[in-house]
Amino acid sequence: DAGITQSPRHKVTETGTPVTLRCHQTENHRYMYWYRQDPGHGLRLIHYSYGVKDTDKGEVSDGYSVSRSKTEDFLLTLESATSSQTSVYFCASRWGGNEQFFGPGTRLTVL
Amino acid sequence: SQQGEEDPQALSIQEGENATMNCSYKTSINNLQWYRQNSGRGLVHLILIRSNEREKHSGRLRVTLDTSKKSSSLLITASRAADTASYFCATVPPNRDDKIIFGKGTRLHILP
Repeated sequence: DAGITQSPRHKVTETGTPVTLRCHQTENHRYMYWYRQDPGHGLRLIHYSYGVKDTDKGEVSDGYSVSRSKTEDFLLTLESATSSQTSVYFCASRWGGNEQFFGPGTRLTVL
Repeated sequence: SQQGEEDPQALSIQEGENATMNCSYKTSINNLQWYRQNSGRGLVHLILIRSNEREKHSGRLRVTLDTSKKSSSLLITASRAADTASYFCATVPPNRDDKIIFGKGTRLHILP
């Protein structure tokens, strides 16, 4: 596996609280992605980054923001968590080729 | 919305049999990829086929691509218990290699 980690791996939080998930890769990959995976919906793209400080929205970006201040780190923030954001979140990265390398996932529960 | 759509949604076969999964998509692609996801884990890349290719092999995997029908199939031969997983197709649009769009997946269960 490419060196890509996510933290935390599990989190339970309450509605209205801010949450930040971290993705860290050691492969010097240019592109990084955040997805959410929900039953019946497969994998949906939230935000992605094509370089340091360069980010763009995916198909389900409402309620989420991202930041990438270093090549190796891509942060996903839920400014005010809602129950609909309960999900499993996956980070992925890649360099120039199209193969994506995925992290192990973060299971987030919003009560 | 998802670009690729896998069929069937779920598949159960006996160990040793071949498993075939299909993926249909809606718009032009640069390439199509297949990924595997074991329960509770991240996705793992299996194989990539470009739009100008019709067939590709990797070990027990065979992928075909029919751009006229906008469809692809993944064949796993001589299935094993370890092949039990979800399989996703993913498409990359032309001139937008920063984007990759995943389907909802096929859940494959290999029976002993």
